[in-house]
Amino acid sequence: SQKIEQNSEALNIQEGKTATLTCNYTNYSPAYLQWYRQDPGRGPVFLLLIRENEKEKRKERLKVTFDTTLKQSLFHITASQPADSATYLCARAGTGGFKTIFGAGTRLFVKA
Amino acid sequence: EPEVTQTPSHQVTQMGQEVILRCVPISNHLYFYWYRQILGQKVEFLVSFYNNEISEKSEIFDDQFSVERPDGSNFTLKIRSTKLEDSAMYFCASSEGQGDVLTFGAGSRLTVL
Repeated sequence: SQKIEQNSEALNIQEGKTATLTCNYTNYSPAYLQWYRQDPGRGPVFLLLIRENEKEKRKERLKVTFDTTLKQSLFHITASQPADSATYLCARAGTGGFKTIFGAGTRLFVKA
Repeated sequence: EPEVTQTPSHQVTQMGQEVILRCVPISNHLYFYWYRQILGQKVEFLVSFYNNEISEKSEIFDDQFSVERPDGSNFTLKIRSTKLEDSAMYFCASSEGQGDVLTFGAGSRLTVL
């Protein structure tokens, strides 16, 4: 089956360091991947989209990479801040294009 | 900035009762969605809606669920006979085009007793 997997364990880092989150996919070649942020009790908020022909995408302190050989996307937050603490979700389009499938998310804690 | 609004923010109901969750998608968006998130679990797709009909639904979206766009602005999710396991956060989302990024509402928390 087509799977999208994220490290379900929480990631704890010190303020100022770079956080790196991983998203792996199997049995599928997505045309693009999306990353969302979700705060407790809130809806996901879109952050970045990266297409299969793009190696890297940046937005302020955020960077996403897409490696179709490894079947993996990495999401980086540089100079992390306590306010970056949240769950980060990787998502792909479902076949047929009428739905977006989310990974389980990785919880990030940034300590001051 | 345009947003998706959902009401109610929290609803408590008795098992077996009918519940209607309401959403107002972004006005120029054409695709509408409902997702569900049980506490501590992943965001799960329920249904997508386009051109006044269901375009895709998941296996979760069984006969107890229905969606409707009763007018030009509202998009509703009805749960006919609620069960304890329906307790979850329900998110409405919309997108401008097929496969576009989703804009989510703040969610409606449903508690079934």
